Amino acid sequence: DGGITQSPKYLFRKEGQNVTLSCEQNLNHDAMYWYRQDPGQGLRLIYYSQIVNDFQKGDIAEGYSVSREKKESFPLTVTSAQKNPTAFYLCASSIFRDRANVLTFGAGSRLTVL
Amino acid sequence: AQSVTQLGSHVSVSEGALVLLRCNYSSSVPPYLFWYVQYPNQGLQLLLKYTTGATLVKGINGFEAEFKKSETSFHLTKPSAHMSDAAEYFCAVSERDFGNEKLTFGTGTRLTIIP
Repeated sequence: DGGITQSPKYLFRKEGQNVTLSCEQNLNHDAMYWYRQDPGQGLRLIYYSQIVNDFQKGDIAEGYSVSREKKESFPLTVTSAQKNPTAFYLCASSIFRDRANVLTFGAGSRLTVL
Repeated sequence: AQSVTQLGSHVSVSEGALVLLRCNYSSSVPPYLFWYVQYPNQGLQLLLKYTTGATLVKGINGFEAEFKKSETSFHLTKPSAHMSDAAEYFCAVSERDFGNEKLTFGTGTRLTIIP
């Protein structure tokens, strides 16, 4: 079945370390997104990519980096510059040119910084 | 700029009672509107969406929502709550700006069902 796979599901890291969250999709979707979810704050857009080798900053990109070398993959690196990285991270994808922009989400990765 | 306001971060209803989750939006152009549901430690699933046409939209699991332009609202309802409806619900808006279809989410409403 087609879908989005995020890994790892749970991740613990020490303060100051960079971590990379994986996101892979086999839906043949053009666009991919990373959201951060904190209690009571809903989902906030970190980065998005509409085509391979191109991506744009979202609303809270500081302290994060991404790459889009393949259509299927959109990894997110949480760098040591991110002041409060503990959160639930959600990857999503959609068909570009679908104006209704329906997102398909992965199951999420929970990052805890000790 | 677009925005979404969900009234009530927590809503509790008895099993079998009406579910009403409120959502108001702000958009400078005609919007696309969505409701997503999230079960604990999972991603979001689409419940329903409004694009054009009929303003009463039916979704999965017996939910529906009505787009009211004059009230800038898109409230989610279900006639009879079931225990399995306990989850967090997010309203979202997307502006019809081709090439810039980003979703803006509300802060969510956690629905609790009382047996």
